[in-house]
Amino acid sequence: AQSVTQLDSHVSVSEGTPVLLRCNYSSSYSPSLFWYVQHPNKGLQLLLKYTSAATLVKGINGFEAEFKKSETSFHLTKPSAHMSDAAEYFCVVTISGGSNYKLTFGKGTLLTVNP
Amino acid sequence: DTAVSQTPKYLVTQMGNDKSIKCEQNLGHDTMYWYKQDSKKFLKIMFSYNNKELIINETVPNRFSPKSPDKAHLNLHINSLELGDSAVYFCASSRFMNTEAFFGQGTRLTVV
Repeated sequence: AQSVTQLDSHVSVSEGTPVLLRCNYSSSYSPSLFWYVQHPNKGLQLLLKYTSAATLVKGINGFEAEFKKSETSFHLTKPSAHMSDAAEYFCVVTISGGSNYKLTFGKGTLLTVNP
Repeated sequence: DTAVSQTPKYLVTQMGNDKSIKCEQNLGHDTMYWYKQDSKKFLKIMFSYNNKELIINETVPNRFSPKSPDKAHLNLHINSLELGDSAVYFCASSRFMNTEAFFGQGTRLTVV
């Protein structure tokens, strides 16, 4: 079984300040983890992925995430927020190495960026 | 070139009607999905197909019937539409079932 919890439904930051979006996961096996972004009225775009290689993963648009097995966390960070980062962010877990496992989505975190 | 394309983008229809949403991917992936996103942005998988075979059916009413004529296409047909079917429906594809999925732009279905 697998599940993912996004700890904040809404995060608000000022432009130029750091972003932290929190995600905790639960998985019976070695997980694969992803972050997706959804801008208003758009589809979902993959930001980054962790698949049991380096624990610090760099993604697009300056985002990165660190896999911490001891804390079962995969938090998304960015050093300096930009207005264009305002969107809905989804943390996703699946089981790596399996052949029949689905992606499980968190409930999303809405990021607003204030000027 | 759009990797995963779905049509139409918007669909407004009356209760009781039957409608279809089409999806095509040009990524050469074996696995395709339909997801439903509700008004609270929660994404829930509806169906998953692998090599044209149904793999996952997440307790979706049988008014919803997916059809995969080939690996590149997964269409969704909905019979007897109800108000509660109003949502955004996303098609997606992935190389394998546990790898990252690539999403279409979504179809906003409004049932009136």
